[in-house]
Amino acid sequence: SQQGEEDPQALSIQEGENATMNCSYKTSINNLQWYRQNSGRGLVHLILIRSNEREKHSGRLRVTLDTSKKSSSLLITASRAADTASYFCAGDNYGQNFVFGPGTRLSVLP
Amino acid sequence: DAGVIQSPRHEVTEMGQEVTLRCKPISGHDYLFWYRQTMMRGLELLIYFNNNVPIDDSGMPEDRFSAKMPNASFSTLKIQPSEPRDSAVYFCASSFPGLAGEMGELFFGEGSRLTVL
Repeated sequence: SQQGEEDPQALSIQEGENATMNCSYKTSINNLQWYRQNSGRGLVHLILIRSNEREKHSGRLRVTLDTSKKSSSLLITASRAADTASYFCAGDNYGQNFVFGPGTRLSVLP
Repeated sequence: DAGVIQSPRHEVTEMGQEVTLRCKPISGHDYLFWYRQTMMRGLELLIYFNNNVPIDDSGMPEDRFSAKMPNASFSTLKIQPSEPRDSAVYFCASSFPGLAGEMGELFFGEGSRLTVL
């Protein structure tokens, strides 16, 4: 089962602008997680939001979760060139089948 | 802790050869995952273990692939015989359970880039 599907597939913005990525999932989850992958590296965990939470912040990151729509969004504010990476989401269904979507490739232009 | 350690980082082999990829998870983590990443298919979950026991191997492509976790600090992913379509980056990740049985944060290794000629 697909537990994370990000859109858009690619996003290109100028440094200083905000970047918004979306994630949809199909089955019930108890938490949803966002990860970043720099080119040639492993994925790095960014933030986890639980099913009973609607919004969470971490530094320049803001994540929202709408369980009724089975969707989440990741907002990166005041983007920097170093934010250039691929971003993935995955929903946890109590440890079963932790599957990532195809990701959003973000390019932040200086 | 040094994080999740994978070896080799790069492997080039010829079709038909056996390939063994290795992973050392973070000490104390109960879950271990093997993923494969390609441009065409993205990140695919191959198999995952909980407390050294394989829980779901439905993502293993075919019988040529096998994975073992003989103890809490070591896992292998073996491909025998290898084929060019197996060329990909293979990631190992480990995790500890979060609150009330939920999946906690996954820690990924740097991956093993496999090229099968």
